[in-house]
Amino acid sequence: EVQLVQSGAEVKKPGESLKISCKASGFSFTDYWIGWVRQMPGKGLEWMGIVYPSDSDVKYSPSFQGQIIISADKSINTAYLQWNSLKSSDTAMYYCVRHGGKWTTLTWFGPWGQGTLVTVSS
Amino acid sequence: ESVLTQSPGTLSLSPGERATLSCRASQRVTSTYLAWYQQRPGQAPRLLIYGVSSRATGTPDRFSGSGSGTDFTLTISRLEPEDFAMYYCQQYDILGGAFGQGTRLEI
Repeated sequence: EVQLVQSGAEVKKPGESLKISCKASGFSFTDYWIGWVRQMPGKGLEWMGIVYPSDSDVKYSPSFQGQIIISADKSINTAYLQWNSLKSSDTAMYYCVRHGGKWTTLTWFGPWGQGTLVTVSS
Repeated sequence: ESVLTQSPGTLSLSPGERATLSCRASQRVTSTYLAWYQQRPGQAPRLLIYGVSSRATGTPDRFSGSGSGTDFTLTISRLEPEDFAMYYCQQYDILGGAFGQGTRLEI
């Protein structure tokens, strides 16, 4: 079964760092782009960026460039989303997604991870 | 940058009725690069339709997608209780895709 399993919910203070994970199984991790999508409370879906685990090529949405770091470790089939200094406005649900077709970025998203809720509050 | 506008914002129907959800793109969608996602309360989104009209694995055949160019439609032929959820369209002929703001389908 093709599956993405994300790390658990986090509660952090402003200014703290955080790295959340997304472990893939059931498919060749190095053949697909893996992305991250933000959903703020009660809001819609925002694409943040993607990583190609085969060579760690990363592409960011202009809205998130410089604010996050996306990476992958192909030895353990895991992608990561990282912040060096969280803000309260980072409070949201974060989903990892696999692109639907091999090698290309121009595909639908599926499957989706179950989501990681990040709460940033003093 | 393409903007996807979904209508209506909220659709109120009853089980057994037919639902028609619209998605309009501000820029023509290349080929068939249009997908639909369903998000039930408290759950992650899941892919329903890709390539405008291809059902993803596990999508019941009461769901169908159609359209071309800038106007697309998701139709649910006979609503089941589990279909009441949020629906998002996505244009994926650009890096990262572009999502619509969603249509809430409520009982």
